[in-house]
Amino acid sequence: QVQLQQWGAGLLKPSETLSLTCGVFGGSFTISSSSYWCWIRRAPGKGLEWIGEINYSGGTNYNPSLRSRVTISIDTSTNQFSLKLTSVTAADTAVYYCARVRRGYNLSYSYYYMDVWGKGTTVTVSS
Amino acid sequence: SSGLTQDPTVSVALGQTVRITCQGDSLRSGYASWYQQKPGQAPILVIYAVNNRPAGIPDQFSGSRSGDTASLTITGAQAEDEADYYCASWDSSGNHLLFGGGTKLTVL
Repeated sequence: QVQLQQWGAGLLKPSETLSLTCGVFGGSFTISSSSYWCWIRRAPGKGLEWIGEINYSGGTNYNPSLRSRVTISIDTSTNQFSLKLTSVTAADTAVYYCARVRRGYNLSYSYYYMDVWGKGTTVTVSS
Repeated sequence: SSGLTQDPTVSVALGQTVRITCQGDSLRSGYASWYQQKPGQAPILVIYAVNNRPAGIPDQFSGSRSGDTASLTITGAQAEDEADYYCASWDSSGNHLLFGGGTKLTVL
């Protein structure tokens, strides 16, 4: 059964770069072309926010509100994918989650869901 | 797409049935998925592609859709169902995932 373990720095100063990595254990990292992996965050007092996704070949999609600062990368040799968010501010303080995505089309409708999640990493941005 | 709208709070009496709704344009072309999140825990998937339950999710959870609205129904709500619930769907026009603002469910 696939498990996700995530790690990275939990305390940053404003203007620094957030860097988190998610390791995939217990399953095939590249099960099929429908295997995607994403990052999601939840800021204090707010709801879930999708940051972006990456597929096994490195194709990415990002949240338009974060696109200018986000990079998601993948390393299939180590079964890991990573998140970098530049120029962080206090507004980036949140719990960050990595997750496995299942997506595709069925009867002309798109489906997209996250069925396996990491435990979350708390990132605090403070001077 | 302008986003997904959920009622911020919903309450239900113990053992009763509650429906949580999610409304948005993206739901006209994309199936909703639903997530339960309890304090200090990662979200878990409870419903995907309208009305499919992952292994381990009890059948008290069900989903439905009509037009631009998706619904999550919890039948026989228990104290342990008290949590935040989020809907999500893919926005094909913008190529990104939308989350609803979340619904805090209180079981009375």
